[in-house]
Amino acid sequence: SQQGEEDPQALSIQEGENATMNCSYKTSINNLQWYRQNSGRGLVHLILIRSNEREKHSGRLRVTLDTSKKSSSLLITASRAADTASYFCATVPPHTGGFKTIFGAGTRLFVKA
Amino acid sequence: GAVVSQHPSWVICKSGTSVKIECRSLDFQATTMFWYRQFPKQSLMLMATSNEGSKATYEQGVEKDKFLINHASLTLSTLTVTSAHPEDSSFYICSASRGSRANTGELFFGEGSRLTVL
Repeated sequence: SQQGEEDPQALSIQEGENATMNCSYKTSINNLQWYRQNSGRGLVHLILIRSNEREKHSGRLRVTLDTSKKSSSLLITASRAADTASYFCATVPPHTGGFKTIFGAGTRLFVKA
Repeated sequence: GAVVSQHPSWVICKSGTSVKIECRSLDFQATTMFWYRQFPKQSLMLMATSNEGSKATYEQGVEKDKFLINHASLTLSTLTVTSAHPEDSSFYICSASRGSRANTGELFFGEGSRLTVL
């Protein structure tokens, strides 16, 4: 079963706008990760935020984590057409023994030039 | 950076044949690799955890006799889809963890293999 649920499922914006994607999860976590997948390709790791962190930045990416609400958000600022991809949050639920990474449903982002 | 190579990137086969997909960690040793299946416009579904030198751990509902996994070395895991049928057509992706536990950090993904069974 999916650990994370993401919204929106799909997002279409103009180049230069900001894109915000949200992720909710069900169990406690040690960290939460965001990945990007271009169509028909493998996933690329974007950023990891630990459970004791509330916000993290990496270039145009900003990730927040609210463990009390079991939710995270990924903000991409000043989006570019090249940001068009699917974005997934991922967690490692403790009940899996710390081995398995479970992915959310994903948000498909389309940035119009 | 860590590189995971997956081969073949796409394969078309006839129904009833078997197909082998390889996943290699090129510049690091991976004691644990993971195999995922992805349907169009959907998320990744974990199929099994591949452990070097031991049997793979399959997720509930995944037929281990259908999807054979071998992790014979620290840099290679293979997934064999046996007696493939059209419903096995999908995008298969492998990933590897540097450490012995996935939660120590990021996963490194192969580019995926698109299987089409006619």
